[in-house]
Amino acid sequence: DIQMTQSPSAMSASVGDRVTITCRASQGINNFLAWFQQKPGKAPKRLIYAASSLQSGVPSRFSGSGSGTEFTLTISSLQPEDFATYYCLQHNNYPRTFGQGTKVEAK
Amino acid sequence: EVQLVQSGAEVKKPGQSLKISCKGFGYSFSSYYIGWVRQMPGKGLEWMGLIYPGDSDTRYSPSFQGQVTISSDKSISTAYLQWSSLKASDTAMYYCARQDTFDIWGQGTMVTVSA
Repeated sequence: DIQMTQSPSAMSASVGDRVTITCRASQGINNFLAWFQQKPGKAPKRLIYAASSLQSGVPSRFSGSGSGTEFTLTISSLQPEDFATYYCLQHNNYPRTFGQGTKVEAK
Repeated sequence: EVQLVQSGAEVKKPGQSLKISCKGFGYSFSSYYIGWVRQMPGKGLEWMGLIYPGDSDTRYSPSFQGQVTISSDKSISTAYLQWSSLKASDTAMYYCARQDTFDIWGQGTMVTVSA
């Protein structure tokens, strides 16, 4: 199985901060990576697909980059509604695998 | 509107069987994969497997192979996740999601297994 390692596992940030979350794959996955946001008690929501394509309706402060084994989700200016847990998902190989999640909390 | 609607919360005893559902609306159900994801209380997301309703091609995570069965009925735009003998450790929220990249998610079905 491909292991997806997210870092950090948790972080504290303030409104307006630039936030960067990294996902590393144990082997190359081309650009077959998606990013999700999950708020407590809610289903996850897709933010980014194909590593860098912004889901329709998602604010442009979210962006994704990377290819191969290293990927990044960036929030350019953190907003109050962005405090949540973020997950990456690789869909290059079976079984598909999620990262363990990154919880973004208020500082 | 494209949406996935899951069946309601379930409370079961260990050893009982269960089948939960995920119904698609607003798109050609047969043409998109449906995947299932487990989230145990306070934990992360786990990919369980997926099915292509058009031909019922199914893939499982090794972690879930033999533990659950994924199926679908394209005539009623519905995918299923079932257990033949539940364990307490199956207590979790289960989500279905569309496509291999999970662009649309169901609202989740909470399964509680307790004696």
